[in-house]
Amino acid sequence: GESVGLHLPTLSVQEGDNSIINCAYSNSASDYFIWYKQESGKGPQFIIDIRSNMDKRQGQRVTVLLNKTVKHLSLQIAATQPGDSAVYFCAENRHEKGNTPLVFGKGTRLSVIA
Amino acid sequence: DAGVIQSPRHEVTEMGQEVTLRCKPISGHDYLFWYRQTMMRGLELLIYFNNNVPIDDSGMPEDRFSAKMPNASFSTLKIQPSEPRDSAVYFCASSLAGGLGTTEAFFGQGTRLTVV
Repeated sequence: GESVGLHLPTLSVQEGDNSIINCAYSNSASDYFIWYKQESGKGPQFIIDIRSNMDKRQGQRVTVLLNKTVKHLSLQIAATQPGDSAVYFCAENRHEKGNTPLVFGKGTRLSVIA
Repeated sequence: DAGVIQSPRHEVTEMGQEVTLRCKPISGHDYLFWYRQTMMRGLELLIYFNNNVPIDDSGMPEDRFSAKMPNASFSTLKIQPSEPRDSAVYFCASSLAGGLGTTEAFFGQGTRLTVV
């Protein structure tokens, strides 16, 4: 899910299919990760989070996978719906000593084809 | 709670003018963040406060930018003088202190600034 030049990477999926959005994070000391969804004209909205002592966490229709070895995070959306169309950002920070600000990836645009 | 509230939602101003963006964080949150979003650079942290005290302003692009948090329920981001390259969407976010609890940042709807 890294940007290339001015354009966000785009993932197009058929309605009802599963979506997988990937993210490579930068700081091996990061211990908390969040996926945000941003719809047009709105602020980023929390979807799901995961701490570094876990490698998988499930929510409603969403699953986040964390691979600390290769510093990789993924978001899986089951049965993708038109309302899932948005830009998705992964974010990381450290909670070890206080609350450091979230560092955001560049984002991936998810386009759902009805 | 109504969430993080930002005003105005849209601002169009002429180059050289002063611009003030406003933010009301979620009540009880002790961290406040100002981010800027552009197509070129994505979401960038400008500055953040903890208990109304600025902690890190290294993301503020120039001296033309300043931010204040006079109390726990209000913050401003000021640009003086504004330039066309400041055009972006500016987001305010707030969160609770770190630790074992959930500490994701909650974002406002943003202020879309256009400097002509």
